[in-house]
Amino acid sequence: DTAVSQTPKYLVTQMGNDKSIKCEQNLGHDTMYWYKQDSKKFLKIMFSYNNKELIINETVPNRFSPKSPDKAHLNLHINSLELGDSAVYFCASSQKGGLRDEQFFGPGTRLTVL
Amino acid sequence: GIQVEQSPPDLILQEGANSTLRCNFSDSVNNLQWFHQNPWGQLINLFYIPSGTKQNGRLSATTVATERYSLLYISSSQTTDSGVYFCAVTNYGQNFVFGPGTRLSVLP
Repeated sequence: DTAVSQTPKYLVTQMGNDKSIKCEQNLGHDTMYWYKQDSKKFLKIMFSYNNKELIINETVPNRFSPKSPDKAHLNLHINSLELGDSAVYFCASSQKGGLRDEQFFGPGTRLTVL
Repeated sequence: GIQVEQSPPDLILQEGANSTLRCNFSDSVNNLQWFHQNPWGQLINLFYIPSGTKQNGRLSATTVATERYSLLYISSSQTTDSGVYFCAVTNYGQNFVFGPGTRLSVLP
């Protein structure tokens, strides 16, 4: 059983398009996260949700909008995609919030904007 | 904001060797984690270690919060240990910042 899954694994799209990445966890965790890893492997947290409530919202363009329909799902919608959005996006989950415990990561979604 | 440095940036080892990776941070933290990203991109959480010492098999970690550093020890390294090791810190809920990583290559 996959603990944290993301779809799609690869996403290639044109500049200006709108796209979504889906994330689901079957661990029963309360908190979910989105991270971005750029081409230089630099990792940065984007969002954190605890029980469907936004907890952390780092400095991210408002073209990025997370949506959590329930605590097992945290989707990432990106409007008006730009070249600089090309990156690998990781979803993660943890039992507690506040980045206080072990996080389990999804396999990542490699987004390429042409 | 808080700054996180990791050293060395790159490390090449022969299988069986031991190594120490270091993470320095510029301010007080209440959370520190070590992650391993394997060559296929998968991220694995190794340790949640805001202070003290923990061990898990061939890996162990020590954080000295008062001196603002953490160490990750890898003993009897194996080729499967290759990848990038990141530390990340939380500054009392204000920031969650990753270091730039240490790229480890273990040669057979």
